Parts: sequence; structure tokens; C-alpha cells
Amino acid sequence: NAGVTQTPKFQVLKTGQSMTLQCAQDMNHEYMSWYRQDPGMGLRLIHYSVGAGITDQGEVPNGYNVSRSTTEDFPLRLLSAAPSQTSVYFCASSNTGTSATYEQYFGPGTRLTVT
Amino acid sequence: ILNVEQSPQSLHVQEGDSTNFTCSFPSSNFYALHWYRWETAKSPEALFVMTLNGDEKKKGRISATLNTKEGYSYLYIKGSQPEDSATYLCAFISNFGNEKLTFGTGTRLTIIP
Repeated sequence: NAGVTQTPKFQVLKTGQSMTLQCAQDMNHEYMSWYRQDPGMGLRLIHYSVGAGITDQGEVPNGYNVSRSTTEDFPLRLLSAAPSQTSVYFCASSNTGTSATYEQYFGPGTRLTVT
Repeated sequence: ILNVEQSPQSLHVQEGDSTNFTCSFPSSNFYALHWYRWETAKSPEALFVMTLNGDEKKKGRISATLNTKEGYSYLYIKGSQPEDSATYLCAFISNFGNEKLTFGTGTRLTIIP
């Protein structure tokens, strides 16, 4: 099993550009989520999905879109990048059913810089 | 926004000493609490998932306790080793039914050889 994979590992964008951060898992997990990690702020939830076709907003959703057309993939789209979106982004997944009682598996992260 | 606090923010411990730190969360609407270990340049890895008041979990030299009535969990490390150096995160899940994890900002532990 590859677990949770994320691409790219590093990305530099100019303000106003758009891009998609890819996330895939091969563990047949229903629950997937995106977090951003900023110094002193811990991990903050951007969007999450409890299954294919179902997504919902987290704590900091503005400026980001998600979709979940398959169980395996959960891409995060930045619509018009802003310097405030400079961060490290983590994708995570967990086992079938509620995420509450199942541990999260995290991807390796994508470090994004917006200039 | 749910308030999940961890203390201390950072901690330096001599190798061989034992240590503990705290995660505080809302005592109402509790569903579950997770602990994660996050080494520098790596991804967070799960240590424990705790759901019942009075839960006590152990993995090697690391253990955790849970008090849902007063809204806190302790993580203990016995006989600290250099490989224990990491940031330890807790995550709270409420019983609102939306399955969202709210993370604390972590306790950064450094073991001094």
C-alpha cells in the first residue's frame, strides 16, 4: 500500500494563479480531509468528505474548492492564489464509517508558496 | 469554533526523565479524542484514539488518560529517549455528527541527550 500520496511536494505560485493539489489514497477510506499548517496555528481543517460525492466545509474554506468523484481521490483547488495561502497542506484519510473512532492517515504534505 | 488547548507549548526534558503534557477540550458534546506524534519533516502519525471517560491507553513508554467530564487528556512519556523528540498533537471530535477534527496547536518536546 502506498497509503496517502500528495503531489506536488513543493509549488511556487504567483498571486492570482490557480492550481490543484492532488491527494490519493489506496486504503479504501471513506473519510478524507485537507488541512493547512501555519506556524503557531496547528492544523486547520479546510474541507472534508465523508464519501464519494459528499463534501463539506471545515474551519478555513475560503479560497479553496474540493470535489470527491471517487473514493480514492480528493483534489484541492486554489481558485486565485493569494499570499495568505502560503502554507503546508496535508491531506488525510481514515477508515470507513465515522472518522471519530478511526485514526487519521496523513500524506507527506505539499509546501506552497504564493508570491 | 471549538477551543482545544495544549500545554505547555514546548518542553525540554533530559534523556531518561519522564514527562507529561495536557490537552484541554470542551467537556460538553464530547465524542472522541485523538493523539498524534509529529516528527520534523514528516507527517503526523496516530498514537491513540480515545472515546470513553476514564480511558487509559498505552503504547510502549507512552500512555494517555482521558477525563471527558472535566475536559482534559494527559499524555505521559516514561524514560524519555532522543527519538521521542517531536510535536505531540491532540484532536477533539464533538458529537455534532459532522466528524470534524479540531486540532490543538501541539506540544513540542525536545529530549536533551
